Amino acid sequence: GENVEQHPSTLSVQEGDSAVIKCTYSDSASNYFPWYKQELGKRPQLIIDIRSNVGEKKDQRIAVTLNKTAKHFSLHITETQPEDSAVYFCAALAEDALNFGKGTSLLVTP
Amino acid sequence: DVKVTQSSRYLVKRTGEKVFLECVQDMDHENMFWYRQDPGLGLRLIYFSYDVKMKEKGDIPEGYSVSREKKERFSLILESASTNQTSMYLCASRAGAGRREQYFGPGTRLTVT
Repeated sequence: GENVEQHPSTLSVQEGDSAVIKCTYSDSASNYFPWYKQELGKRPQLIIDIRSNVGEKKDQRIAVTLNKTAKHFSLHITETQPEDSAVYFCAALAEDALNFGKGTSLLVTP
Repeated sequence: DVKVTQSSRYLVKRTGEKVFLECVQDMDHENMFWYRQDPGLGLRLIYFSYDVKMKEKGDIPEGYSVSREKKERFSLILESASTNQTSMYLCASRAGAGRREQYFGPGTRLTVT
């Protein structure tokens, strides 16, 4: 089955800096790559996604890039704010179900 | 807005009890999923269903079963709860027909003593 690796497991940045989280996947048939943000005590929320026919997608301060050849995709957050602090999960869709990375705990310090 | 609800936010059960976790979605989604979330292990898929009365095993189905008698409802059953099933359980749903966005419920924190 699909195997999704996510790095780093923890990330601490200063407010205003950029944060980058990277994921790799194993199944070349994967065609959809969402990112979820989970704040403490809350459900994971979809924040951005990318499909395999697109290399990059941007939504305000958040962007995702996909390299199908290398089988990796990344989340970029610019101008980080304290409210960006959360656990972020990447995922890859192969066949019927999403396979998730283990998560990155992002801390943005003022 | 997609709404996925779960029957309980917190649940405490004893070892050996039969436990039912219920999930309901109101968007007529074909696909429904049960995950468990543990620190450092991320979200692991237990079971999913792509239609009424259909079910597929995920990565960690042992000790669990599921039921989907109606399209909007997907139940997770722990036949005989054990302490290693103490976890956060998250339900999710997704439309069919090429729609890929998946939405989560609020989660049920289950403690088995």
